[in-house]
Amino acid sequence: DQQVKQNSPSLSVQEGRISILNCDYTNSMFDYFLWYKKYPAEGPTFLISISSIKDKNEDGRFTVFLNKSAKHLSLHIVPSQPGDSAVYFCAAKATGNQFYFGTGTSLTVIP
Amino acid sequence: DAGITQSPRHKVTETGTPVTLRCHQTENHRYMYWYRQDPGHGLRLIHYSYGVKDTDKGEVSDGYSVSRSKTEDFLLTLESATSSQTSVYFCAISGGTTIYEQYFGPGTRLTVT
Repeated sequence: DQQVKQNSPSLSVQEGRISILNCDYTNSMFDYFLWYKKYPAEGPTFLISISSIKDKNEDGRFTVFLNKSAKHLSLHIVPSQPGDSAVYFCAAKATGNQFYFGTGTSLTVIP
Repeated sequence: DAGITQSPRHKVTETGTPVTLRCHQTENHRYMYWYRQDPGHGLRLIHYSYGVKDTDKGEVSDGYSVSRSKTEDFLLTLESATSSQTSVYFCAISGGTTIYEQYFGPGTRLTVT
């Protein structure tokens, strides 16, 4: 069973607008969450993270929100830029440094 | 960019043959991971290592073994490759100043015919 789910396989956004990518998880023992960005034929690259003891973390245009009661996190990108077009994966850390990834959301930012 | 390489980058092999993929890092990070990426599944953890000779299974470890005899190298072996192991394999490392961030290698595309 998928413990981390990204229910939107794709998302299209106009340049300059906000992109919101969502992620849901089932395991309440996850204690750290991360977002990665992936371009074709490359490995994922780290984007932003959040500890389970926080509800928001911001880094430039990227903000991650965590709602523990709903077991939901989201990544906000504002303003969106064409270079943000990529596949975004959310990931969650379980005990023992084991990580679970979602299936990814393909973001297209339209110029 | 983190110093992490994977070899080979592409491989085609036949069902039943053994295959070894290599991950090499120059960052002296403690943790190393092997993932596979498949459509509809995202990235799934195969095995990981938390130190030399210390390894543990991930969620899709059946059919795979690993070894880590040096800090910098983490090997993934398919003892007898099957078509279901056709995938893109990514190695990752973590354990730097921000210990949970993972740095990924460029991937190895493996095709089992």
